Amino acid sequence: DQQVKQNSPSLSVQEGRISILNCDYTNSMFDYFLWYKKYPAEGPTFLISISSIKDKNEDGRFTVFLNKSAKHLSLHIVPSQPGDSAVYFCAASGDYGGSQGNLIFGKGTKLSVKP
Amino acid sequence: DGGITQSPKYLFRKEGQNVTLSCEQNLNHDAMYWYRQDPGQGLRLIYYSQIVNDFQKGDIAEGYSVSREKKESFPLTVTSAQKNPTAFYLCASSMRQGGDSEAFFGQGTRLTVV
Repeated sequence: DQQVKQNSPSLSVQEGRISILNCDYTNSMFDYFLWYKKYPAEGPTFLISISSIKDKNEDGRFTVFLNKSAKHLSLHIVPSQPGDSAVYFCAASGDYGGSQGNLIFGKGTKLSVKP
Repeated sequence: DGGITQSPKYLFRKEGQNVTLSCEQNLNHDAMYWYRQDPGQGLRLIYYSQIVNDFQKGDIAEGYSVSREKKESFPLTVTSAQKNPTAFYLCASSMRQGGDSEAFFGQGTRLTVV
């Protein structure tokens, strides 16, 4: 059973517009959330994170929003640029048992930003 | 520059052979991880290590083995017992396990069984 879900496998956005990537989680013990960006045949790179004590974290064009009651987070990219085209993975960690403290990844969303 | 290095980038293996993927980091990180990525799947945890000479199975450890004799190195052996080894393998490290410690990833090794 997936604990971190990215229900949209792909997203296409026009350059200059906003990209919104969504992520849902099921385990209320998760307390830290991260977004990673991945280009083909490369390892993921860390993008932005948010602790469960916050509901928003901003870094330049990237903002992550966390809605704990809905167990939902989203990544906003404004304005979107062609270089943002990549696969974006949502990840969560926390004291949830099992491989405690390790990151659990979603399946990823492929973002395509068209010029 | 500090970083995490995986080698080789591409690897071909005949069925029935064991093969070892290298992962080295000079970030002085305590924790290291191996993930596997398949098309349409997220990153799935194979093994992880929080400290030298200690490692734990992840979610899909069957058919794999690891060692952690040095802090900098966490090699992964894909054994002949792994039924479907063709995949993209990613090594990662973090200052400490989980929590607010982001993971840094290597460039990956694409393993193909021929």
